[in-house]
Amino acid sequence: DIVLTQSPDSLAVSLGERATINCKSSQSILYSSDNKNYLAWYQQKPGQPPKLLIYWASTRESGVPDRFSGSGSGTDFTLTISSLQAEDVAIYYCQQYFGTPTFGGGTKVAIK
Amino acid sequence: EVQLVESGGGLKQPGGSLRLSCAASGFTFSSYSMNWVRQAPGKGLEWVSYISTSSSTIYYADSVKGRFTVSRDNAKNSLYLQMNSLRVEDTAVYYCARDTTVHSSTWYDFWGQGTLVTVSS
Repeated sequence: DIVLTQSPDSLAVSLGERATINCKSSQSILYSSDNKNYLAWYQQKPGQPPKLLIYWASTRESGVPDRFSGSGSGTDFTLTISSLQAEDVAIYYCQQYFGTPTFGGGTKVAIK
Repeated sequence: EVQLVESGGGLKQPGGSLRLSCAASGFTFSSYSMNWVRQAPGKGLEWVSYISTSSSTIYYADSVKGRFTVSRDNAKNSLYLQMNSLRVEDTAVYYCARDTTVHSSTWYDFWGQGTLVTVSS
């Protein structure tokens, strides 16, 4: 199975500042035939199910604020929150769907 | 409004069985593939199983293969997970999650609130 390693495990960011979460895949999840990266990002708040933020590594789900953006290709990906808001406190997970679906271990985002 | 409501969780002894259900509403259930994803207490997410729209394609995680069986009833807008030979490590919140493509497990745009399965003696 493809292993996704997220870093850092946790981070604390001041309100209005940028938060950056990394996700590294054990193998490329860029499919050559369609030139798409098979990666999604989710946000999970305490006591709630995960919420889809981004798919195809950089396509924002409808209704997701534009302060959330995804980037990267191949094996290295990033989720960026450009200006952290209080409601963004959550755990963030990457997920690949290139092979049998797997998730990263999660990154906890808090307010500094 | 899309809704997924899981039920059937509870406390079971190791070796026992349990059947989870997921009732879908607010969308054409028969047009969407579905998944089960679980989350052990305080841990991350683990994909468990996938079933295509017509049940013709089914996948399982290695950790549950041979013990769990996924099924669906499109007439009843329902998804099921039959869990046999339960182990302590199956303890988790089980979510049903809607897939976005027809032929394989991809990303999940709607999730239920989950049902807790506890396996303990």
